[in-house]
Amino acid sequence: GAGVSQSPSNKVTEKGKDVELRCDPISGHTALYWYRQRLGQGLEFLIYFQGNSAPDKSGLPSDRFSAERTGESVSTLTIQRTQQEDSAVYLCASSPRGASAGGPPDTQYFGPGTRLTVL
Amino acid sequence: SQQGEEDPQALSIQEGENATMNCSYKTSINNLQWYRQNSGRGLVHLILIRSNEREKHSGRLRVTLDTSKKSSSLLITASRAADTASYFCATRFNNDMRFGAGTRLTVKP
Repeated sequence: GAGVSQSPSNKVTEKGKDVELRCDPISGHTALYWYRQRLGQGLEFLIYFQGNSAPDKSGLPSDRFSAERTGESVSTLTIQRTQQEDSAVYLCASSPRGASAGGPPDTQYFGPGTRLTVL
Repeated sequence: SQQGEEDPQALSIQEGENATMNCSYKTSINNLQWYRQNSGRGLVHLILIRSNEREKHSGRLRVTLDTSKKSSSLLITASRAADTASYFCATRFNNDMRFGAGTRLTVKP
């Protein structure tokens, strides 16, 4: 079956512009994560959607970042008034059940990422 | 679907003590990462160690990696009540991230 897809694969924008990144998770996966990865660094958690629960937004670095998810399908990550420091690869992952209290996370299946370059 | 095992499964210590958690994995890796997770929330990246590194420090965290034994350890020094969480090691496998079973750390004030 199809894996996680993301679009666009590359985005170059000018400082101050808004960008919207899209993630299509694996069908049936209730959990969806957005991460940011700067060159040579680990994944930086941004936001986590789990079913119909309120999303965990604790990783969003500023109020310029927001994300939405429609049910258990597509998610969009929006960055307003982009800054050069926002340049990174933005990764989306989905998993069948996500986090459960006291239990390990399901395997997360990653999309190919969107490479964002802010000039 | 877990990549490996972590021990202990649960650890309870007093504030100020050190906490050591271990992780074993099965495949070859480029790097190994440690994450923290508060119940029901997203994973927070703590530290990444590359396969050619043996030890790495970040604040109160110290990570070691032994690729010959396919194992890693995470040491949290001078623990605080706020360190209470589950801790997972993770490795990238193809395009997927696989997690160990995790250690549930409780730090009592």
